[in-house]
Amino acid sequence: AQSVSQHNHHVILSEAASLELGCNYSYGGTVNLFWYVQYPGQHLQLLLKYFSGDPLVKGIKGFEAEFIKSKFSFNLRKPSVQWSDTAEYFCAVTPSYSSASKIIFGSGTRLSIRP
Amino acid sequence: DTAVSQTPKYLVTQMGNDKSIKCEQNLGHDTMYWYKQDSKKFLKIMFSYNNKELIINETVPNRFSPKSPDKAHLNLHINSLELGDSAVYFCASSQEGTGYDTEAFFGQGTRLTVV
Repeated sequence: AQSVSQHNHHVILSEAASLELGCNYSYGGTVNLFWYVQYPGQHLQLLLKYFSGDPLVKGIKGFEAEFIKSKFSFNLRKPSVQWSDTAEYFCAVTPSYSSASKIIFGSGTRLSIRP
Repeated sequence: DTAVSQTPKYLVTQMGNDKSIKCEQNLGHDTMYWYKQDSKKFLKIMFSYNNKELIINETVPNRFSPKSPDKAHLNLHINSLELGDSAVYFCASSQEGTGYDTEAFFGQGTRLTVV
């Protein structure tokens, strides 16, 4: 069965620090990969997605993620974080060309930015 | 103009009551979902529904029942509420179809507190 692991449960950084949040998935076939962000008290918003093509994808607000197929990873990065990036970040995966009902979320990583 | 909207945003109720949460999407999507986010921020799909098929997550108690008057609405009715039902419930929608790579769009969530 497919699964998603986010090993960092809570990350605390200072403003301007660089960010990398880990995401590993378990699935034997081709996949679609997502990062969602949930700001305090708000709904999930799509940060970026990978369906095919260039494994380095760029999303909103300066975020990017790299799909490394050999490592089953899709880590999220940002070179310089801001206080407004404080949020919960969720990695998610679905089999390629499948219904979104098959999307599986990771357990989330809480990011706290010190001003 | 909100794409996926849920009401109410907050719901506090006593054990044993029956309550409903409403969801509407104006994206023209043909599939809608309900997710439950527990206190540890873990997201789990409860139902997905389109014109043709209701897919029920087998771990969801039958006290929970989705009702869809049309493809733009998917309401969640909960009977005999229990303390463990306290969570944030997210509605989402997507456009399904053979060969589509789909992503889900989320509502703002309904925080349900059972006392």
